[in-house]
Amino acid sequence: KAGVTQTPRYLIKTRGQQVTLSCSPISGHRSVSWYQQTPGQGLQFLFEYFSETQRNKGNFPGRFSGRQFSNSRSEMNVSTLELGDSALYLCASSRRDTGYEQYFGPGTRLTVT
Amino acid sequence: ILNVEQSPQSLHVQEGDSTNFTCGFPSSNFYALHWYRWETAKSPEALFVMTLNGDEKKKGRISATLNTKEGYSYLYIKGSQPEDSATYLCASPIQGAQKLVFGQGTRLTINP
Repeated sequence: KAGVTQTPRYLIKTRGQQVTLSCSPISGHRSVSWYQQTPGQGLQFLFEYFSETQRNKGNFPGRFSGRQFSNSRSEMNVSTLELGDSALYLCASSRRDTGYEQYFGPGTRLTVT
Repeated sequence: ILNVEQSPQSLHVQEGDSTNFTCGFPSSNFYALHWYRWETAKSPEALFVMTLNGDEKKKGRISATLNTKEGYSYLYIKGSQPEDSATYLCASPIQGAQKLVFGQGTRLTINP
């Protein structure tokens, strides 16, 4: 069974630009969650999608958005990048919700200069 | 407890010794408690998902217990090996079954 894949793995952007990250879940998994990991902050929940609907959102500004497609693949977008957005962005898929194991992708390392 | 809290933040253990660490979580509206192992340069890997009070799960030398009434879980590692060196994360849904909140993790280092 193929694992969760994320593209790109590394990204360097300039302040003010926007970025789109992609996540392909494990086949059959309908829930996709996104997390931001920065030193000292741990894993912070961004949002969760299930069947193309956002079911919950973390405490992040509106510059962070996402969507999910009918094949369960998900994208997250960050507009007007700030230096503080430099982080590792992880996505995780699960069968349904947090009553089930989350399977994490390798992450996208975003650096904003 | 209003958030997910882990202790200690870091731990150094001699190879062969056993160790344990704690995860505290809000006991109201409990839904599930997750444990993950996160090795450097890898993705977090699920160890256990626990949902029932008094539950005890085991995977090899690693086991976990759950007390949902008082809001804590313990992770135990028996006979630590160098490959056990990792950050161990616990997480619980707060404000909805879809929002998984992680603790800051316990960074475990096994000294050979």
